[in-house]
Amino acid sequence: QVQLVQSGAEVKKPGASVKVSCKAFGYIFTSYYIHWVRQAPGQGLEWMGVINPGRGSTSYHEKFQGRVTMTRDTSANTLYMEVPSLTSEDTAVYYCARGSSIEGRVWDPADYWGQGTLVTVSS
Amino acid sequence: IQMTQSPSSLSASVGDRVTITCRASQSISNYLNWYQQKPGKAPKLLVSAASSLQSGIPSRFTGSGSGTDFTLTIRSLQPEDFATYYCQQSYTTHGWTFGQGTKVEIK
Repeated sequence: QVQLVQSGAEVKKPGASVKVSCKAFGYIFTSYYIHWVRQAPGQGLEWMGVINPGRGSTSYHEKFQGRVTMTRDTSANTLYMEVPSLTSEDTAVYYCARGSSIEGRVWDPADYWGQGTLVTVSS
Repeated sequence: IQMTQSPSSLSASVGDRVTITCRASQSISNYLNWYQQKPGKAPKLLVSAASSLQSGIPSRFTGSGSGTDFTLTIRSLQPEDFATYYCQQSYTTHGWTFGQGTKVEIK
């Protein structure tokens, strides 16, 4: 069945970087968009960006443009999301989520989500 | 596009009818989706395209609306429905935006 399995929790110091992974199972990896969404403690959901796993093309929220990098490894069916220069405001649970087929609207909603990766930024 | 949900929280009893509203800052046609999130879990898609119930979601959940005003109704609240609900617009090419969430608590 479709599953997105994310890497484990991370504790980072301010200024460090983090790379979260999301491994896909149960479907054709290159056929569906993957979105990244984060949620600060006790807060709502914030969309970060989307990647086409087949082409590697990306679209980022303007807040994260130039700051976050989304990549993929098609040989490993794995997506990555890297955030450099972390601050305490980056403390959040980061989710990957499967969107529509690449033949559909990139903005269609996500039907499968990873379990989330907690990134804590603390000195 | 800003999404505004109301109320931010509500208390209800099992069996109650619950309505959550979501307003968009501009028309988004029917590009409105609803998610349910339980503590420590990922969001779960309930309704897409304003009123299309996802497979496996109980029929007590109903979505309606178009343009700027939308509602999610839970016909007869069950114990497993206590959670936070988010609306999400998928209209703009600038990416998703979510409402701030509505927490449904036990009265």
